[in-house]
Amino acid sequence: QVQLQQWGAGLLKPSETLSLTCAVYGGSFSGYYWTWIRQPPGKGLEWIGEINHSGNTKYNPSLRSRVIISVDTSKNQFSLKLTSVSAADTAVYYCASQSPGNWFDPWGQGTLVTVSS
Amino acid sequence: QSVLTQPPSVSGAPGQRVIISCTGSSSNIGARYDVHWYEQLPGIAPKLLIYGNTNRPSGVPDRFSGSKSGTSASLAITGLRAEDEGDYYCQSYDSSLSEVVFGGGTKLTVL
Repeated sequence: QVQLQQWGAGLLKPSETLSLTCAVYGGSFSGYYWTWIRQPPGKGLEWIGEINHSGNTKYNPSLRSRVIISVDTSKNQFSLKLTSVSAADTAVYYCASQSPGNWFDPWGQGTLVTVSS
Repeated sequence: QSVLTQPPSVSGAPGQRVIISCTGSSSNIGARYDVHWYEQLPGIAPKLLIYGNTNRPSGVPDRFSGSKSGTSASLAITGLRAEDEGDYYCQSYDSSLSEVVFGGGTKLTVL
């Protein structure tokens, strides 16, 4: 049974870089895509991007210029960096496992990231 | 404005049946990309409810069912329970945008 556990800084100032990491426990790291999704307070879900164990990435076009998703296969971890954050980036950020059929299961517990001066 | 359109809210009494719709277009649901559904109970991460239009993961009760036709999909919940209250999201892939897309979410209230 795969489980995801995520962590990272929860309070940032505008223009700083958001950095989150997600660890994968209990399953194979290869053969899947690993994804980041965010949810602004009171709003819906937004796909940020994905990476596989080989480091191949796809990003949401609206965020592509500021997003870097990386993988560390030695630790079964993947990470998200989002540069030049603003208040609009305030959200709960989730990591998730993405199946070849493009559904997400399971999800990490979520990390609330607040951007405020 | 979400690419996939869901009603903002639905409600029903305990034991009743509700249906949540998810309307897309020819570049996502209508392009034969699968639809998946998630349940998000208050304060916790979304949970996969239906994958591949109609399939339930292990552990999801058969009170939940999914269907798809043309450019739309639906989630049906029968035998409503108080613990079903939460937000429900549909998700697919859009070939024009080259990205995963979600519906805006539907808040289910059990009266």
